[in-house]
Amino acid sequence: LAKTTQPISMDSYEGQEVNITCSHNNIATNDYITWYQQFPSQGPRFIIQGYKTKVTNEVASLFIPADRKSSTLSLPRVSLSDTAVYYCLVGAPARQLTFGSGTQLTVLP
Amino acid sequence: GAVVSQHPSWVICKSGTSVKIECRSLDFQATTMFWYRQFPKQSLMLMATSNEGSKATYEQGVEKDKFLINHASLTLSTLTVTSAHPEDSSFYICSAGETTGTDTQYFGPGTRLTVL
Repeated sequence: LAKTTQPISMDSYEGQEVNITCSHNNIATNDYITWYQQFPSQGPRFIIQGYKTKVTNEVASLFIPADRKSSTLSLPRVSLSDTAVYYCLVGAPARQLTFGSGTQLTVLP
Repeated sequence: GAVVSQHPSWVICKSGTSVKIECRSLDFQATTMFWYRQFPKQSLMLMATSNEGSKATYEQGVEKDKFLINHASLTLSTLTVTSAHPEDSSFYICSAGETTGTDTQYFGPGTRLTVL
């Protein structure tokens, strides 16, 4: 299972764009990259998933370079309610996911 | 996205009793579900993989006789904590994946277990 490395914490201000980078040097060919958001006492919520290049949905963008050894989650114009822990995970379909420590994002007013 | 539910959302029990937690995929079928445990201020730790119609696969260090998993249908997996003790108090979360393409995992809301 690929190991991921993320910053432990990040601070931002409301209205700013936040980029959280995750490194996964040992990603396998059939692994996808998935990001989740977790609030205290709640289950992780799916944000975005990608395999290569760029993926965008209504809440975030995911940038994946050609070598796929890292990925960057981009949250546009964050608000206070985006304060949460963000997890980057890599894994193949139908395989279990191994959670790293995640990144605690704190959005300040 | 797909919805996964858990029941109950929280439970308090006495030491020595057993507690059953249900995990349901509401709008899709899941041949595989996963059970995680999360202690305060820590990340999720995988406990076991629940396979429909067969025995669960447990991670190293997880007692299979203490954490009984049953996956009797394509939409329901249950985790039973037998003879619970205070150290079993934790946040239990399940996940399930749609068996299409990337098999994105969706997580339940979690169950807070407190053993007195």
